Parts: sequence; C-alpha cells; structure tokens
Amino acid sequence: NAGVTQTPKFRILKIGQSMTLQCTQDMNHNYMYWYRQDPGMGLKLIYYSVGAGITDKGEVPNGYNVSRSTTEDFPLRLELAAPSQTSVYFCASSYGGRGQTDTQYFGPGTRLTVL
Amino acid sequence: QKEVEQNSGPLSVPEGAIASLNCTYSDRGSQSFFWYRQYSGKSPELIMSIYSNGDKEDGRFTAQLNKASQYVSLLIRDSQPSDSATYLCAVLRGSSASKIIFGSGTRLSIRP
Repeated sequence: NAGVTQTPKFRILKIGQSMTLQCTQDMNHNYMYWYRQDPGMGLKLIYYSVGAGITDKGEVPNGYNVSRSTTEDFPLRLELAAPSQTSVYFCASSYGGRGQTDTQYFGPGTRLTVL
Repeated sequence: QKEVEQNSGPLSVPEGAIASLNCTYSDRGSQSFFWYRQYSGKSPELIMSIYSNGDKEDGRFTAQLNKASQYVSLLIRDSQPSDSATYLCAVLRGSSASKIIFGSGTRLSIRP
C-alpha cells in the first residue's frame, strides 16, 4: 500500500493563478482531510470529508474548494492564489473519524509558494 | 488564549535523559488527546493517544492526562538522538473529526 500520496511536492504560483493539489489514499478510508501548516505553526484544518459526495468546512476554508467524487481521491482547489496561501499543505485520511480510536495518516505534503 | 498551547522550545535534553513535553488546552469539553511527532520537512505521525485521566505507556513513551487541570504531557524515557523532532499536541473537542485542534508544537533536541 502506498498510503496517502500527494502531488505535486512543490509548486510556485503567481498571484491570481489557480491550481489543484491532488490527494489519493489506497487504505479504503472513509474520512479525508486537508490541512495547512505555516512555518513554526501547527496544523489548521481547511476542509474535510466523511465519505464520497460529502464535504465540510474546517477552520480556514476561505480561498479553497474541495470535491470528493470517489473514496480514494480528495483534491483541493485554490482559486485566485494569494501570498497568504503560501504554506505546506498536508492531506490525511482515517478510517472512521471517531476520535477515540481513529488514527490520521498523513501524506508527504505539498510545499506551495505564491509570489 | 490559544485553544491548545505548547512551549515552542527548543527543548534541549541530553541523550539518555527523560524529555518532558507539556500541553494545555482551553476547552473543558475536550475528549481525546494526541501526540504527533514531526521530523523537519516531513509529515506528522501519531505516536500516542490518550482519552482518560492518568498515564498511558507505550515503550519509551508515556502520555499523562489531567482533565481537571486541562493538561496533557508526553514523557520520553532514555531519549535518543532520533527523538529530535517537533512534537505536536492535538485535542479533539467533540465527537466530530473537524474539531481536532493542533498546538504549534515543541521542538525537541537530544544532544549526544
């Protein structure tokens, strides 16, 4: 199993450009998440999904969109990139989202710079 | 007040000693608590979770929870250079996965 994979690993965008960060998991997990991590900071939840066709906002959703058409894939779309979106983006997945027994598995991350 | 607070460090501990990492949280309704380790440039990985007051041990790691004091800690015994990393405390505020709040992390450095 590859676990959680993310592409690309690195990307530089110009202000106003758009892009999609890809995330795929092969563990048949129901829950998937997108986080951003700014330098020296913890993780902030952008969006999450509890299953195909179901998504919901996290703590910092503005400027982002997601979709979940399959169990495996959870892409994150950035429209009109801004310098404030410069960050490392992590995708994660978990089996059932039940906090007491659920472990989140993280992808390797995408380092995004907006200039 | 931040929802989950950690001392940013760096915390420097000699090899073989006990490293003690602390975390406080503001929401008394918090139910589950997690410690993640993150090496520089890598993604976080879960090392401990704790749900009830008291201690939970796993190998060299012990998590301690005191809900009355809203305090959770991680002890690392016999610290090794490979333990040098940033340790993130995470708190689940309710039954929803969306309410996992991460602290900003404590940088731990184990000196030989």
